[in-house]
Amino acid sequence: AQSVTQLGSHVSVSEGALVLLRCNYSSSVPPYLFWYVQYPNQGLQLLLKYTSAATLVKGINGFEAEFKKSETSFHLTKPSAHMSDAAEYFCAVSDNTGGFKTIFGAGTRLFVKA
Amino acid sequence: DTEVTQTPKHLVMGMTNKKSLKCEQHMGHRAMYWYKQKAKKPPELMFVYSYEKLSINESVPSRFSPECPNSSLLNLHLHALQPEDSALYLCASSQEAKYAGNSPLHFGNGTRLTVT
Repeated sequence: AQSVTQLGSHVSVSEGALVLLRCNYSSSVPPYLFWYVQYPNQGLQLLLKYTSAATLVKGINGFEAEFKKSETSFHLTKPSAHMSDAAEYFCAVSDNTGGFKTIFGAGTRLFVKA
Repeated sequence: DTEVTQTPKHLVMGMTNKKSLKCEQHMGHRAMYWYKQKAKKPPELMFVYSYEKLSINESVPSRFSPECPNSSLLNLHLHALQPEDSALYLCASSQEAKYAGNSPLHFGNGTRLTVT
């Protein structure tokens, strides 16, 4: 069964510092991986997705993620945090065997300090 | 702005009430979903519709009854709910494909439901 594990339920960074949110996946087949962001009182919004075309994926709002098969990781980074990045971030893996299930990680809350 | 619209934004209902949540999308997506999200938790899948047919029911109690009247609309009918059903209910859609794994979900902003 496919799954994702997000390391760290809370991450705190200073404004302008590097953002690194960690995600490891478990899958017996090449996975489809996603990062979603959820701002307070809103639904989830797609940040970026990996679908095997390129290992370094660029997303919206300056975020990017690198797929590393050897480490089964798909960590999310942003070079310089902004106050508006404070939100909940979910890593997710999608069923690529014909189903419609997206399996979400537990989420990481990002705090940005002024 | 979200392309998936959910109404109402907030709903308070008693345990004997009947109410409905509504969801609408006009992106031509043929897969639509209901998720339930408790505070500080990830979304949990409840139902999936593909081409207006129910394709996945994640063993959801019968007090939740989904309906897909057409390709753009998705409803969730609620009856005799329990206080523990209080949560954020999210609707989502995605492009239909036989192998839809690489199609991301587009979420609405949810309905915040409180059962008293």
